[in-house]
Amino acid sequence: DMKVTQMPRYLIKRMGENVLLECGQDMSHETMYWYRQDPGLGLQLIYISYDVDSNSEGDIPKGYRVSRKKREHFSLILDSAKTNQTSVYFCASRRQGANTGQLYFGEGSKLTVL
Amino acid sequence: GEQVEQLPSILRVQEGSSASINCTYENSASNYFPWYKQEPGENPKLIIDIRSNMERKQTQGLIVLLDKKAKRFSLHITDTQPGDSAMYFCAAKRANYNVLYFGSGTKLTVEP
Repeated sequence: DMKVTQMPRYLIKRMGENVLLECGQDMSHETMYWYRQDPGLGLQLIYISYDVDSNSEGDIPKGYRVSRKKREHFSLILDSAKTNQTSVYFCASRRQGANTGQLYFGEGSKLTVL
Repeated sequence: GEQVEQLPSILRVQEGSSASINCTYENSASNYFPWYKQEPGENPKLIIDIRSNMERKQTQGLIVLLDKKAKRFSLHITDTQPGDSAMYFCAAKRANYNVLYFGSGTKLTVEP
């Protein structure tokens, strides 16, 4: 079953606290992504990972870092969360070299930073 | 990178009519253009896509047109139903690159 799973789905944190968002996929996809979605801005790429320990910044990496120690698992970390990081975060995966660019998205993680 | 502009941001249509969403891109190297539908509280899901070797693609009430010269592509939903109400995102991808660049989305409401 092709699935991208995100945990937690909902999270409330105070400003300055650390946040860990986790993502797993069961398709052995090499490439994984973290996007954030804000009204009127669509989906903005935070980080992309090409495989284990092979990560690159996306368009808005500031304030975030990632970790990929296993192909099926990709984490997004916010060290000292800020209120403007309140958003819905989507993880996605894609098979390397696929003839299409289809991304498989997780269900999203809604983060509120107070 | 790539910049994808999507219009309109809000679209309201009557049930049974057609709905059209337009996107433009900047990078002539982009060769793959998917459309995603996102229902409230859910994740985006691919509904149709088109590659640069095609000008038109149709599936199940959806039509995608691609004008490479104008760097423009569009989604047309024929005979809209209330179930078509959702956010729609266009995207563009360059050959040999792993990044999908998304438009800002269109909120489609189909009114009975």
